[in-house]
Amino acid sequence: DAGVTQSPTHLIKTRGQQVTLRCSPISGHKSVSWYQQVLGQGPQFIFQYYEKEERGRGNFPDRFSARQFPNYSSELNVNALLLGDSALYLCASSSLTLSETQYFGPGTRLLVL
Amino acid sequence: GIQVEQSPPDLILQEGANSTLRCNFSDSVNNLQWFHQNPWGQLINLFYIPSGTKQNGRLSATTVATERYSLLYISSSQTTDSGVYFCAVAEYGNKLVFGAGTILRVKS
Repeated sequence: DAGVTQSPTHLIKTRGQQVTLRCSPISGHKSVSWYQQVLGQGPQFIFQYYEKEERGRGNFPDRFSARQFPNYSSELNVNALLLGDSALYLCASSSLTLSETQYFGPGTRLLVL
Repeated sequence: GIQVEQSPPDLILQEGANSTLRCNFSDSVNNLQWFHQNPWGQLINLFYIPSGTKQNGRLSATTVATERYSLLYISSSQTTDSGVYFCAVAEYGNKLVFGAGTILRVKS
């Protein structure tokens, strides 16, 4: 079975632009979470979606938004990009919203110039 | 919110040596996972272990939930074990809080 997939793998943007990152969960998984990992740190939770509803939000500004589609894939949008948004963006899926194993995708590396 | 501390921050081993990585957390959790992040950034699941002991080949993990710590044991280390090891916990749901990681370098 295919694991979690993310696209694109790499992205370069300039300050002020907008970006959309995409994630497809493992088949049968209904929960998708997004994390931001800045170089040298552990990942930080941004959003969780389950059954197309937002179930959790981390300490990120309103420039960050996300949604989940009927097929359980998800998009993360970041508006008005700042240099500090440069990071590895990770998507994770799990079958339930309750505590259980999360599986991570390969990530999207975003560089903001 | 919950705090996660990992130790040591860095570890250099000779191939074949054993090691123990520690994760302390500040509150009760119902989700604890260990991950290995490879040089390309992929987070690889090692264990889902909110309590008890599990083993998978040369790796094993123990979580003592009542004392709020978890240990990851790596035996007979190989160069392919190099990378960053993360402990991540959640008080509820799947909002994982990650530690800062342990950077492991295994030399041949």
